[in-house]
Amino acid sequence: AQSVTQLGSHVSVSEGALVLLRCNYSSSVPPYLFWYVQYPNQGLQLLLKYTSAATLVKGINGFEAEFKKSETSFHLTKPSAHMSDAAEYFCALAERGAQKLVFGQGTRLTINP
Amino acid sequence: DAGVIQSPRHEVTEMGQEVTLRCKPISGHNSLFWYRQTMMRGLELLIYFNNNVPIDDSGMPEDRFSAKMPNASFSTLKIQPSEPRDSAVYFCASSLGGTNTGELFFGEGSRLTVL
Repeated sequence: AQSVTQLGSHVSVSEGALVLLRCNYSSSVPPYLFWYVQYPNQGLQLLLKYTSAATLVKGINGFEAEFKKSETSFHLTKPSAHMSDAAEYFCALAERGAQKLVFGQGTRLTINP
Repeated sequence: DAGVIQSPRHEVTEMGQEVTLRCKPISGHNSLFWYRQTMMRGLELLIYFNNNVPIDDSGMPEDRFSAKMPNASFSTLKIQPSEPRDSAVYFCASSLGGTNTGELFFGEGSRLTVL
């Protein structure tokens, strides 16, 4: 069965510091992988997605993620955190040919001034 | 362009009452998803439709929950009778071609509180 595990339900970094949010997946077939962001009292919006092209994927707001098959990981990074990055981030997986999107439990990112 | 529109944004009701949540997907999208978000269980897919037809309702918790999509521009999620454990934020999302494209467009959610 497919699953997504996000390591750390809460991550706190200082403004200007590196952001690293971890995601590991389990899937019997090569998956599509996504990161979504949820700001308070809003729905989720797509940050970036991996669909088997380049393994390093760039998204909106300066975020990027690297697909590492050997590690079954898809970690999200941003070189320099901004106060506006404070939100909840969700890693998600879809098996190719399937329509269902399976979400991880989410990681709440806090930015300290 | 209008995004996914959900109503009501907030609903407070008493146990045993019927609750109906509504969703208008983005025009032209042919897939619609209902998710539930709670602190304990995170985001759970309840049901999804493709071209107005329910494809997978395995996530619907029990018979008290039902969902319909009478046409391409409207869907409802009904809970009857409601229970306190149904308290959650319910999200509707739509997409063009299903999640293989990666982009689900979410509404702002309906926050349900059952007393």
